[in-house]
Amino acid sequence: NAGVTQTPKFQVLKTGQSMTLQCAQDMNHEYMSWYRQDPGMGLRLIHYSVGAGITDQGEVPNGYNVSRSTTEDFPLRLLSAAPSQTSVYFCASSYEWTANEQFFGPGTRLTVL
Amino acid sequence: KNQVEQSPQSLIILEGKNCTLQCNYTVSPFSNLRWYKQDTGRGPVSLTIMTFSENTKSNGRYTATLDADTKQSSLHITASQLSDSASYICVVRRGTGNQFYFGTGTSLTVIP
Repeated sequence: NAGVTQTPKFQVLKTGQSMTLQCAQDMNHEYMSWYRQDPGMGLRLIHYSVGAGITDQGEVPNGYNVSRSTTEDFPLRLLSAAPSQTSVYFCASSYEWTANEQFFGPGTRLTVL
Repeated sequence: KNQVEQSPQSLIILEGKNCTLQCNYTVSPFSNLRWYKQDTGRGPVSLTIMTFSENTKSNGRYTATLDADTKQSSLHITASQLSDSASYICVVRRGTGNQFYFGTGTSLTVIP
């Protein structure tokens, strides 16, 4: 199993550009989530999904969109990038939304100029 | 307010020495507390989980403790190795849903 994979590893955007961060898992997990990690702050939940076709907002959803068309994939879209979105983004999954352990991907480091 | 605080923020120790990392929380209702290890440039990986009824749990050279009365947890690393250099994150789960509260982590550097 590859676990949770994320692409790209690094990305630089200009203000106003849009892009999609990819996340995939091969563990047949129902629950997937996106976090951002900023210096001096704990991971913060952006969006999550409890299954294909079901998504909901987390703590910091503004400026991001998600969709979940399959169990495996959970892409995160930045609609119009802003410097405040410079961060490291982690995708995580667990076998169900009540499961205790989340498995994290390797992260995407995004810089918005 | 539900919060998780970790100390120290950073720590440098010599290889072979022991160290203890602290995690204090105010999350309620408490469900469980998990310690993650995050290597530089990687995602967090679970080390151990502590539930309300558990006081101590070991995973190799890592030993976690939990005092649910004082809402404190510690992670003790014995005979540190260079590969222990990482950030250690404490995460507390609130209730039975998907509310997880992350600490800011302790950055540990082990030097030869």
